[in-house]
Amino acid sequence: DVKVTQSSRYLVKRTGEKVFLECVQDMDHENMFWYRQDPGLGLRLIYFSYDVKMKEKGDIPEGYSVSREKKERFSLILESASTNQTSMYLCASSLGVVGTEAFFGQGTRLTVV
Amino acid sequence: GEDVEQSLFLSVREGDSSVINCTYTDSSSTYLYWYKQEPGAGLQLLTYIFSNMDMKQDQRLTVLLNKKDKHLSLRIADTQTGDSAIYFCAESTYYGGSQGNLIFGKGTKLSVKP
Repeated sequence: DVKVTQSSRYLVKRTGEKVFLECVQDMDHENMFWYRQDPGLGLRLIYFSYDVKMKEKGDIPEGYSVSREKKERFSLILESASTNQTSMYLCASSLGVVGTEAFFGQGTRLTVV
Repeated sequence: GEDVEQSLFLSVREGDSSVINCTYTDSSSTYLYWYKQEPGAGLQLLTYIFSNMDMKQDQRLTVLLNKKDKHLSLRIADTQTGDSAIYFCAESTYYGGSQGNLIFGKGTKLSVKP
């Protein structure tokens, strides 16, 4: 059974903290994605990676960075968390071929206080 | 840039058909998808259609694609309360030479009344 696992379901962090969101997939997928989901705004792509150590900015990369040292793991980093980064964060992975299914993790609800 | 638009809410009665509509702007889209998100969960692929197809049927689901108008619809026959969820339309596109990136709409929240 395919699996994308996000390390935390719920997270509460303070303003200014450095935050790491971890995502692991067990399907040997080339592509991995980080989205944030906000009511009325849908899913917005933050960053994606199509290979180890490769990354591309999505639509809203400001305030975020990513790391992909191993194929199965894609980390999202909030360098200095702010309250406007309170959101649901979704990780996904897919094969590196257009048209294949993207598999999603269960999401991490991050609250920055 | 690419954009995917869909209405935010749809309410139907149990047993009726639901039709969720979506428009997209990228004429080079190769695949178009419908994903379902149940409360508190991630997204799951429901169905997809290749851009050279007009229609695809899968049990209670029918996808219609009008490529000329860049319009995609999802019809759910005999809608059940378990179909209550947010439905996302998505297109796959190339991004900076990479493959497989997905652009999502904002999602349509389907409410099914008993």
